[in-house]
Amino acid sequence: EDQVTQSPEALRLQEGESSSLNCSYTVSGLRGLFWYRQDPGKGPEFLFTLYSAGEEKEKERLKATLTKKESFLHITAPKPEDSATYLCAVSNDYKLSFGAGTTVTVRA
Amino acid sequence: DVKVTQSSRYLVKRTGEKVFLECVQDMDHENMFWYRQDPGLGLRLIYFSYDVKMKEKGDIPEGYSVSREKKERFSLILESASTNQTSMYLCASLVDRAGGKAFFGQGTRLTVV
Repeated sequence: EDQVTQSPEALRLQEGESSSLNCSYTVSGLRGLFWYRQDPGKGPEFLFTLYSAGEEKEKERLKATLTKKESFLHITAPKPEDSATYLCAVSNDYKLSFGAGTTVTVRA
Repeated sequence: DVKVTQSSRYLVKRTGEKVFLECVQDMDHENMFWYRQDPGLGLRLIYFSYDVKMKEKGDIPEGYSVSREKKERFSLILESASTNQTSMYLCASLVDRAGGKAFFGQGTRLTVV
């Protein structure tokens, strides 16, 4: 069975304080690893797709990296608007399996 | 941009009622999903569909069924609602078979009393 584990559960940062979120996974036949952002009361919003170990993607202050067993989402110099829950998901053919998420709070 | 619309934002139903949650997508996507989201548990897959009239069980299908009569519409049915089905329900539409770039609806917060 596919498993996705995210850590930490919650992260409180000062504005400008960089940090990383972890996503470790176990899946047979990985088709891709995905990061989503979810704001309170809304559906998740797609951020990145990573397909192979060593791949990196960037968007504004976010950078996602992938190894054979885990992925990291680096938040560089975060701002309060980066506060959200960040979800990791893995794809095995048609099925998309999610982790429980990391809730990030950035204080001004 | 892709739009995935869920019929209700908030629903309150009584135990034992039959509940229908509707989801419509406007981009002709083949793959659609129903998840429930609970604190500390993340998104758990209930059912998914990769074609009209096709359905597959996800990780937690018990107590639920689905219907996909048209490509754009995927319905989740709670045959006899119970209090442990109180949750946030999210519908998603997938852009391609590689998965991942899913577009989500705004969610339906269902309370069963």
